[in-house]
Amino acid sequence: EVQLQESGPGLVKPSQSLSLTCSVTGYSITSNYWGWIRKFPGNKMEWMGYISYSGSTSYNPSLKSRISITRDTSKNQFFLQLNSVTTEDTATYYCARSSGYYDASFAYWGQGTLVTVSS
Amino acid sequence: NIVLTQSPATLSVTPGESVSLSCRASQSISTSIHWYQQKSNESPRLLIKYASQSISGIPSRFSGSGSGTDFTLSINRVESEDFSIYYCQQSYSSLFTFGSGTKLEIK
Repeated sequence: EVQLQESGPGLVKPSQSLSLTCSVTGYSITSNYWGWIRKFPGNKMEWMGYISYSGSTSYNPSLKSRISITRDTSKNQFFLQLNSVTTEDTATYYCARSSGYYDASFAYWGQGTLVTVSS
Repeated sequence: NIVLTQSPATLSVTPGESVSLSCRASQSISTSIHWYQQKSNESPRLLIKYASQSISGIPSRFSGSGSGTDFTLSINRVESEDFSIYYCQQSYSSLFTFGSGTKLEIK
């Protein structure tokens, strides 16, 4: 059974970088698509980007200058880095897996991790 | 960007009632819409994909319909465990977007 687990600091200072890890068990990240999605206070959801089975990436243009998604296939982990954060980046961050190579629904999600941006 | 508008924002119902939740896209997206349920302090759960395709393990009281710009998630005879927030998400464009959600609450 595929399982995803986010980890990383729960508090980040403004202007610094937010770094999160998604650890995957039960399925190889060299298959399918792996994404980051966040939910803001007030319930708005935003797709941030994904990394594919081949390592190619796609990002939300609204974040393109600040975001990077990378992976370590030896550890079966992928990572989110968001630079120059502000209080507007306070959100619960989820990692997720697409349902299939040609199926862009998200069938598998991590439990989510709350990141607060505050000095 | 494709904007998804969900209505109503909040729906108050009595258990046993049947309900329909709406998601309208700002342009035609064929059937590239997916529905999620999110309970408090849990991660989203995929209910329906590509407008009407059922998901293994999801109760049969959940169904989806629509194409183009107008989509509906129907719940036949709401149960107590169904009270949560429902989101639609489109994958027609490479910039995936979500609707703002419909909160289903107990009347």
